[in-house]
Amino acid sequence: AIQMTQSPSSLSASVGDRVTITCRASQGIRNDLGWYQQKPGKAPKLLIYAASSLQSGVPSRFSGSGSGTDFTLTISSLQPEDFATYYCLQDYNYPVTFGPGTKVDIK
Amino acid sequence: EVQLVESGGGLVQPGGSLRLSCAASGFTFSSYEMNWVRQAPGKGLEWVSYISSSGSTIYYADSVKGRFTISRDNAKNSLYLQMNSLRAEDTAVYYCARDGRFDPWGQGTLVTVSS
Repeated sequence: AIQMTQSPSSLSASVGDRVTITCRASQGIRNDLGWYQQKPGKAPKLLIYAASSLQSGVPSRFSGSGSGTDFTLTISSLQPEDFATYYCLQDYNYPVTFGPGTKVDIK
Repeated sequence: EVQLVESGGGLVQPGGSLRLSCAASGFTFSSYEMNWVRQAPGKGLEWVSYISSSGSTIYYADSVKGRFTISRDNAKNSLYLQMNSLRAEDTAVYYCARDGRFDPWGQGTLVTVSS
C-alpha cells in the first residue's frame, strides 16, 4: 500500500498568516491527491481534488500544488474558521490511504 | 441537496455483529462508487471498504478483510456495511463517502465494541 506522510503534524498560526502543509507519497501517484478539512465532531470536507483543483464552494484562499510524490496545501491568509485538522488522501489506487493529519491551531 | 446519512451504530460486545446503513439522496446513487471510512477516537482517518456503482467490484482494507462485507441496494439508494467478529480496535465513527473524490461525507455513526 502507498504510504502518505504529512508535515508538520501540528502548527500554531495567527489569523492572516500564510500556512503551508506538505504531503508526501511513498511512490508516484500522478496528481491523484485530495485535501480534506475536519473540524472537531464533524465529518471531513473536501477542499482540493486532483492535487490542485478547488472544490466548488471552497474559498479561494485554499490552494493545492504538486505532482508525483510531493504535494502542498496552502492557505494564503488564515481565517478563524480555518482552525482544524487537514488530511491528504491518495486515490491513485486501492487501498486508498490518508496522511496522518496536520492540526492547525491558534497561536 | 446531496446528502448521505449513516445509521446502525451502537454498543456491541467483542465478537458481535452490526450492520451499518448509509442512505443517499439528492443524486443518482446508482451512478456512483461508494466508500466506508472510519475514525477511531482521537485518531486519523482509515479507509475501510469500496464498492463500484454496480456492486461488481469490491475492495477491503486488510484490517477488516474476511470480517466486514460491503453491499448496496441501488433501488433503495442505500449502502451497507455488515460487520462481524467485531474487535475493540473496530471502535470508531464510521462514515460513508461518495466516489473516488470522497465527497460528500455523511455525518458518521459511532460503533463501540466493548464488554
